[in-house]
Amino acid sequence: AQSVTQLGSHVSVSEGALVLLRCNYSSSVPPYLFWYVQYPNQGLQLLLKYTTGATLVKGINGFEAEFKKSETSFHLTKPSAHMSDAAEYFCAVSKGSQGNLIFGKGTKLSVKP
Amino acid sequence: SQTIHQWPATLVQPVGSPLSLECTVEGTSNPNLYWYRQAAGRGLQLLFYSVGIGQISSEVPQNLSASRPQDRQFILSSKKLLLSDSGFYLCAWSVEGLAGVGGEQFFGPGTRLTVL
Repeated sequence: AQSVTQLGSHVSVSEGALVLLRCNYSSSVPPYLFWYVQYPNQGLQLLLKYTTGATLVKGINGFEAEFKKSETSFHLTKPSAHMSDAAEYFCAVSKGSQGNLIFGKGTKLSVKP
Repeated sequence: SQTIHQWPATLVQPVGSPLSLECTVEGTSNPNLYWYRQAAGRGLQLLFYSVGIGQISSEVPQNLSASRPQDRQFILSSKKLLLSDSGFYLCAWSVEGLAGVGGEQFFGPGTRLTVL
């Protein structure tokens, strides 16, 4: 069975600091992994995804994530936070051939000036 | 390009009243369709998904139902709303036949439902 754990429901960083949002997954099959971002009262937008191949995945807005099979992790990083990065971030793992996604509970990122 | 619409954007309904939320997708055919609910502090909960017209799978037992009367239309309904039905409802779609394709879902703008 698939599951996702996001460590830290709230993360606060200063503008210009490193952003690190943690995601660990459990999957009985090779996983597809996703990061989504949600701004207040909006739908979710795909930041990046890992399916196969290169384990370092680059996404939009300067974010990237690295798939580490040995650690069952898919942490999201950005070298320098911007005020516009303040949002909620969700990690997800695919479930089955129909593509149902299992989401983590989300991490709310705050960026301080 | 593909777009997904949801309406209404916000809704305030009394307990015991009926509900109908609509989702439509443009620019694609035979999509998989999904309804999620997002309640405060509880992440995203998958409610229903559909792989074709008239084919609905329910993930959790609840006070809600879903229907897919047309290929790109997905409707979420309730006969009598409960307080616990309040939340942010999101519709999403994905490409059919996802094995090996990538599996990402594309989300609509959501409907904020408040049940009083």
